[in-house]
Amino acid sequence: DSGVTQTPKHLITATGQRVTLRCSPRSGDLSVYWYQQSLDQGLQFLIQYYNGEERAKGNILERFSAQQFPDLHSELNLSSLELGDSALYFCASSVGAGGSSTDTQYFGPGTRLTVL
Amino acid sequence: QKEVEQDPGPLSVPEGAIVSLNCTYSNSAFQYFMWYRQYSRKGPELLMYTYSSGNKEDGRFTAQVDKSSKYISLFIRDSQPSDSATYLCAMHNNAGGTSYGKLTFGQGTILTVHP
Repeated sequence: DSGVTQTPKHLITATGQRVTLRCSPRSGDLSVYWYQQSLDQGLQFLIQYYNGEERAKGNILERFSAQQFPDLHSELNLSSLELGDSALYFCASSVGAGGSSTDTQYFGPGTRLTVL
Repeated sequence: QKEVEQDPGPLSVPEGAIVSLNCTYSNSAFQYFMWYRQYSRKGPELLMYTYSSGNKEDGRFTAQVDKSSKYISLFIRDSQPSDSATYLCAMHNNAGGTSYGKLTFGQGTILTVHP
């Protein structure tokens, strides 16, 4: 158990809908990262927050947004869902801002999103 | 062309075999190299972390980095059925800016170790 929690474990929804994925980082970790894992694209970085501020951004779609709250938990919002958004979404956390050689990212168990 | 290339396998070996997993990369800005292991329906977990070219050993696992060739490897000695998982290489460029904490992953290699 990495100490990172994600809810829900599974989510099934329809195209055009909006969903929210939640992540609680390990105690003491200030950074939260979101990744998407699909069969064709592999594990892709979406976005990073550090202590409430956006720190790094990957190829995140405009339909997707995230935020980190004062208690450091994070939410990833996916809207206008398409079939191609079906994937595993992982949250990871680390102590620092991610620029250090010792700033290990610990991954949560993931949320499996199915868009029908 | 992807920044990180990894043969997805699958790779099937008998118990006790030596396993070699490899990744190549194109971005010379990558400075830190990691291997993650991912069991089915679980999140990735960090196995090995290396910075410089050379070898790093941890038990049955050895990570090797050759920056001149842009090539990294993970060797597993005396492989066990419990090693059956997907192995992902990951890289970090430590350039700061818009990619501050970003890890770039390979596609992952599916490994099965048969008893």
